[in-house]
Amino acid sequence: DAGITQSPRHKVTETGTPVTLRCHQTENHRYMYWYRQDPGHGLRLIHYSYGVKDTDKGEVSDGYSVSRSKTEDFLLTLESATSSQTSVYFCAISESGGGTQYFGPGTRLTVL
Amino acid sequence: AQSVTQPDIHITVSEGASLELRCNYSYGATPYLFWYVQSPGQGLQLLLKYFSGDTLVQGIKGFEAEFKRSQSSFNLRKPSVHWSDAAEYFCAALTGSNTGKLIFGQGTTLQVKP
Repeated sequence: DAGITQSPRHKVTETGTPVTLRCHQTENHRYMYWYRQDPGHGLRLIHYSYGVKDTDKGEVSDGYSVSRSKTEDFLLTLESATSSQTSVYFCAISESGGGTQYFGPGTRLTVL
Repeated sequence: AQSVTQPDIHITVSEGASLELRCNYSYGATPYLFWYVQSPGQGLQLLLKYFSGDTLVQGIKGFEAEFKRSQSSFNLRKPSVHWSDAAEYFCAALTGSNTGKLIFGQGTTLQVKP
């Protein structure tokens, strides 16, 4: 299994509070991704990174920001959480843009 | 717009029976195609992938998939299903080789009857 960890694994928070999810990899892969998984939608890309300090938006980026200051860490921030952001969030990594993506175990976020 | 469609939301098969999960994609060029499996409460595990070459691709756990350009399909098959195959299956297409943007289908939940 690819060395990917996500923290926290579960979080319950209240509407309007900031939340940061962390993805950590030990594979030294260049590309990192954040997805959200919702019933009936499969997984949808939020943001991705193609190198340190290099990030871009995905399909559902509104309300989310990311940062990547080190190769191994990719942070997803919800500046002011809303109930519509209740979801399971997955991080993924790949060696190249055209390569296979390997997924972390996920973070279940509940916004009350 | 690029899209991946899995027509079957839920499929039930008997243990030992054959399985075929459908996947159709909409994309101008030939995309890179993937099948992932997700067990309850777990992350996604790669079953197999198609980049180019032989259109019949072998994967882990006895799964295979066939790429058919004429039908824009990439269906997943297994000749004999085991109870441990019960899970959710996702088809995905890589639409940008420079960005790695994966587009996922909605997923198919497989239930296996004893």
